[in-house]
Amino acid sequence: EAGVAQSPRYKIIEKRQSVAFWCNPISGHATLYWYQQILGQGPKLLIQFQNNGVVDDSQLPKDRFSAERLKGVDSTLKIQPAKLEDSAVYLCASRIGTAQETQYFGPGTRLLVL
Amino acid sequence: AQSVTQLGSHVSVSEGALVLLRCNYSSSVPPYLFWYVQYPNQGLQLLLKYTTGATLVKGINGFEAEFKKSETSFHLTKPSAHMSDAAEYFCAGGLSGNTPLVFGKGTRLSVIA
Repeated sequence: EAGVAQSPRYKIIEKRQSVAFWCNPISGHATLYWYQQILGQGPKLLIQFQNNGVVDDSQLPKDRFSAERLKGVDSTLKIQPAKLEDSAVYLCASRIGTAQETQYFGPGTRLLVL
Repeated sequence: AQSVTQLGSHVSVSEGALVLLRCNYSSSVPPYLFWYVQYPNQGLQLLLKYTTGATLVKGINGFEAEFKKSETSFHLTKPSAHMSDAAEYFCAGGLSGNTPLVFGKGTRLSVIA
């Protein structure tokens, strides 16, 4: 079974530029999460999707961050414009969405904002 | 609000020694608890999880953890450390199967030869 795929793996941009990350969850997983992991900290939830609907985006900085999962499969996370403090690893995770609680994580995208 | 606290940002053990990584949670109801491991430049890999039932949970790579409600703890142990265990370990919790996970800040485990 293929795992959660993310691209790109690394991205370097200058502040005020825009950037987009892509995630393809495990096939059949209804729930998809985006987490932000700042160096030295644990992952923090940005947004949770159930199929193509948003379940929780309370911690998403909506003035600059946006995310979508239009067909209920893969998802994109966008930052526009980026700030220095957005430098972090962005992790995508998926879960089958039933009583099976385990979240499976992708390798992450490491973003550096200069 | 639920929180997860990991005691010690860095733990160093000798190869063959006991590994003990501490995790305490705060919630008003018994949570779902997880331990994940993160190797450099990789995503998080599930080590073990507690949902309901047996409080002693066995995971991969010889790790186990015990859920102690009276102490609100879920400490991770391994009897004998191996060099390959060197990594970052995260404790996480959720109030139900569908709620997002709340992560601790992580504990970096170093194994000395």
